[in-house]
Amino acid sequence: DTEVTQTPKHLVMGMTNKKSLKCEQHMGHRAMYWYKQKAKKPPELMFVYSYEKLSINESVPSRFSPECPNSSLLNLHLHALQPEDSALYLCASSQDAAGYTGELFFGEGSRLTVL
Amino acid sequence: GEDVEQSLFLSVREGDSSVINCTYTDSSSTYLYWYKQEPGAGLQLLTYIFSNMDMKQDQRLTVLLNKKDKHLSLRIADTQTGDSAIYFCAETYRDDKIIFGKGTRLHILP
Repeated sequence: DTEVTQTPKHLVMGMTNKKSLKCEQHMGHRAMYWYKQKAKKPPELMFVYSYEKLSINESVPSRFSPECPNSSLLNLHLHALQPEDSALYLCASSQDAAGYTGELFFGEGSRLTVL
Repeated sequence: GEDVEQSLFLSVREGDSSVINCTYTDSSSTYLYWYKQEPGAGLQLLTYIFSNMDMKQDQRLTVLLNKKDKHLSLRIADTQTGDSAIYFCAETYRDDKIIFGKGTRLHILP
């Protein structure tokens, strides 16, 4: 199993809603990532979890709250988002931290629209 | 600062070779990568090169690295319609994260 599974694939939410994005991998990877990708732009790193601990937060607004319940799961809790937060949210995992092995395995993404 | 530069668009005839270029900033990068993104999909690693290598070949793909100029290129031989995608150059930055370029959209002409 070399898959990173993200749910939901599409999400539409209002600015007062609370929702969550979920990501799962069963490759035994110990690092997991959230990236945000706007249309025609590269992915931008948001958070990195290494061994279930948050190791990098790229100054992301607190309306995005990551959670890593165990080594296979990564959530992104969303609250009071703005329309400009609409984007494709990509989850990725790697065997270890990015600098050592390099290969990120990406999910298909969750396309978020904030009304 | 962190910056990876690529040209945004490349148009190539089917059967020709495609060459996508990239310049990066972190001279201490351990790895440099090429990722492919098809429409509506996540990114897929195509190939990567260690910083102590000059060239890596993998079937139709050839990666060339010029460390002095911080220049990376990806050559796709015998380009096919299935190669149509966005190609992202990426580097490890300070060994703790991967930074992506803006991506080059490869368009295949019949």
